[in-house]
Order: sequence, then structure tokens, then C-alpha cells
Amino acid sequence: DTAVSQTPKYLVTQMGNDKSIKCEQNLGHDTMYWYKQDSKKFLKIMFSYNNKELIINETVPNRFSPKSPDKAHLNLHINSLELGDSAVYFCASSYPGQGDYGYTFGSGTRLTVV
Amino acid sequence: AQTVTQSQPEMSVQEAETVTLSCTYDTSESDYYLFWYKQPPSRQMILVIRQEAYKQQNATENRFSVNFQKAAKSFSLKISDSQLGDAAMYFCAYRVSGTYKYIFGTGTRLKVLA
Repeated sequence: DTAVSQTPKYLVTQMGNDKSIKCEQNLGHDTMYWYKQDSKKFLKIMFSYNNKELIINETVPNRFSPKSPDKAHLNLHINSLELGDSAVYFCASSYPGQGDYGYTFGSGTRLTVV
Repeated sequence: AQTVTQSQPEMSVQEAETVTLSCTYDTSESDYYLFWYKQPPSRQMILVIRQEAYKQQNATENRFSVNFQKAAKSFSLKISDSQLGDAAMYFCAYRVSGTYKYIFGTGTRLKVLA
């Protein structure tokens, strides 16, 4: 069973389109995250939810909107896609309570905007 | 500002040899967690090793060990008996206890030469 699953793995779309990436975890973690990895491999946090509550909202264009229907799911919707949105987007989950054992990452979604 | 610095963009090691990847971080906190993640060409992010700042003993996981120097704010990763499968990007990461955000370094690309 995949612990953190993201769909789709690859997404090619045209500028101006709207797209969504879905993430689900079956680890019972209470915190989920979206990270963006750019072409230089730099990982930057975008959002985090803890038990469906938004707790981290970094400086991200408001074309990006996360949604967490329950603590096992965190989706990312992107409106009016731009060329600069091309990147790999990672979902991750964790239980940052006592004895933090780090993130469990999904396999990433490579988004290409053409 | 909390930052994580990996000063070696790329390293090479001969198969079966030992290599050390460096990481320094900047924080005024005393309670935090440190991690090393590996990202092979498959792009999956894999936790290699973790260290709790309050523990003086260096963490070890099979061929992977860390040299944690809290006063120097240094957290280097040593890979012994390097194998071809160790070739990957390695990211150092840090999280302050009681917060949710993990901060990543810029990564070191490790090449293993046969």
C-alpha cells in the first residue's frame, strides 16, 4: 500500500488552464504539506494543513488554492497556469509530535506548462 | 532567519569508499530536529537519517552516520562503503520543535564512480 499517493504523476497543460493535483495518505498523520521543487532542485514549502486547518501559507500567488476535505487528503488547485508554474510538486505528511520521524513524501507531480 | 546551507553542490566518490556531505544551519533555538533526505533519479524523496538536537549521540543507520556538532550548528552525513545506488541528490533539513515547517538546504548531488 502506498503511504502517500499523488495523482497525476505527470501533467502537461497549456497556459491559462486550471488544473488540480490530488494527494492522499494512509499513515494516520495529522499534518500534510505541499512543496514546490524548481528546476534547480530547491524545495520550498507552499502550504500545510493540520487536521484540516491551514497552518502554513507561504508567499504563493493566490492562483494556488489548497483544499483539505479531511486529514487524509490534501489537494492543490491551480488557476490560470503560467509558464513559471512548471515544477515538481510534492505532497508530504508527518506527525510532528513527540519524536518527529520526518516527512513521508509522495512521488511528486511533474507539471509542465506549455 | 532560519537557513540551511549545503556548501557542496556536487560531490564524487569511488565505489566502496567513504564520503562526507556537509550541512550547516542557522538557528537561535535549542530544541529541533535534523534530517537527511535522499532523492534518486526516480525523484522519490527518501528519509535517510534523523537526529534530535537534545541527543548528543550521533545517529547511525547502517552505512549512514552523522556528525552532529550542536555548538557549531553543523550536521554532516557520512556514507561508508559507497554503492552505486547511493548516487542521488541529498538534502539536509531542519525543523524547530513545536513548529510545522521543515526548512531544506539546496542539496548536494552525489556521484558514485564504479
